[in-house]
Amino acid sequence: DTGVSQNPRHKITKRGQNVTFRCDPISEHNRLYWYRQTLGQGPEFLTYFQNEAQLEKSRLLSDRFSAERPKGSFSTLEIQRTEQGDSAMYLCASSLNSYRGDNEQFFGPGTRLTVL
Amino acid sequence: SQKIEQNSEALNIQEGKTATLTCNYTNYSPAYLQWYRQDPGRGPVFLLLIRENEKEKRKERLKVTFDTTLKQSLFHITASQPADSATYLCARSNTGKLIFGQGTTLQVKP
Repeated sequence: DTGVSQNPRHKITKRGQNVTFRCDPISEHNRLYWYRQTLGQGPEFLTYFQNEAQLEKSRLLSDRFSAERPKGSFSTLEIQRTEQGDSAMYLCASSLNSYRGDNEQFFGPGTRLTVL
Repeated sequence: SQKIEQNSEALNIQEGKTATLTCNYTNYSPAYLQWYRQDPGRGPVFLLLIRENEKEKRKERLKVTFDTTLKQSLFHITASQPADSATYLCARSNTGKLIFGQGTTLQVKP
């Protein structure tokens, strides 16, 4: 499968624990995005990378969230001290580079996080 | 704030009819609007992109329009089929990141 993959697909954790998600983008894509989606809402932008550089981070993103893309390939999203409000689907997407904003994004299947 | 708004009520139509979904934007003029389809438990899948200088874009049974005067994009599915049942998301894009509306769920009944 040459699409975007995410692991794990599901994660159940207790409040206060740390969790880490992984995203493997399409290999030739230099842009990688993280979004969060709750039931009945559209995906909400969190952050994105161009190669290994994190170019933008949403102001809504708490300091408990951190993302990396160390070699410009896969990316990890870590949530520290999880809260029940963090329960959501975390989506990763990748695309070719475009400064004009006309890039089609390819989404992974998502990681569903449940915080008890 | 720069918002994308879609009708949050589900749209129910009969097979064979044309489905029309609405996307409105406020306080800005996006250079591009994109439409995605999302099935339950899956990530969104890209359908169409329309630029602000384009009035209309087509792909098979899909058609998207962009009216900068009304600040609105319409998404049409002609000859709808039960397999078209899904949530459709509108998103504005600039510099790459996508800002999505809340999505409209379409249910096509046989």
